[in-house]
Amino acid sequence: DAGITQSPRHKVTETGTPVTLRCHQTENHRYMYWYRQDPGHGLRLIHYSYGVKDTDKGEVSDGYSVSRSKTEDFLLTLESATSSQTSVYFCAISERTIPSDTQYFGPGTRLTVL
Amino acid sequence: AQKVTQAQTEISVVEKEDVTLDCVYETRDTTYYLFWYKQPPSGELVFLIRRNSFDEQNEISGRYSWNFQKSTSSFNFTITASQVVDSAVYFCALGRRPNTGNQFYFGTGTSLTVIP
Repeated sequence: DAGITQSPRHKVTETGTPVTLRCHQTENHRYMYWYRQDPGHGLRLIHYSYGVKDTDKGEVSDGYSVSRSKTEDFLLTLESATSSQTSVYFCAISERTIPSDTQYFGPGTRLTVL
Repeated sequence: AQKVTQAQTEISVVEKEDVTLDCVYETRDTTYYLFWYKQPPSGELVFLIRRNSFDEQNEISGRYSWNFQKSTSSFNFTITASQVVDSAVYFCALGRRPNTGNQFYFGTGTSLTVIP
């Protein structure tokens, strides 16, 4: 199993509060990703990182920001949480070397915004 | 635009039956990747298989097999002699490689229930 941890695993917060989710990997993979999973939508990419301090937007990036100051850590921040951001958040990593472009996923964080 | 369609939202089968999960994709890329992931009730996402767009060979791994057909843009997944442990949500995904990183497009998933 890929060494990916996410913290916290569960969080309940109130609308308008800031929230930061952390993804930590021990694989030294260059690429890291944040997804959200919602019923009827599958998984949708929020942001991804292709190196330290190198990030880019995904499909549903509005309301989210990310940071990556070290190879092993990728943080997802909700500056002011809204109820529409209640979801399960997954972090993923990949090592961009042919042929291995598979993304491996962390255990997920269940976030509830009241 | 990239898109993955899993038209089967929920499937129920009786144990030992064979079941096929459908996946249809759309892309204009000539190089792309197709994946299947399993999400058991515990919630984690487990990688099952990866296929490159230039490799149309079907693959068999134990009770699992995959049928990739570029002509119909499909990448279907068959479980032979299903077992209760196969109960999960299965996601098909399309991966493409722009200049930075890999972008994945997931289908909405098929929830498989295997009844003992």
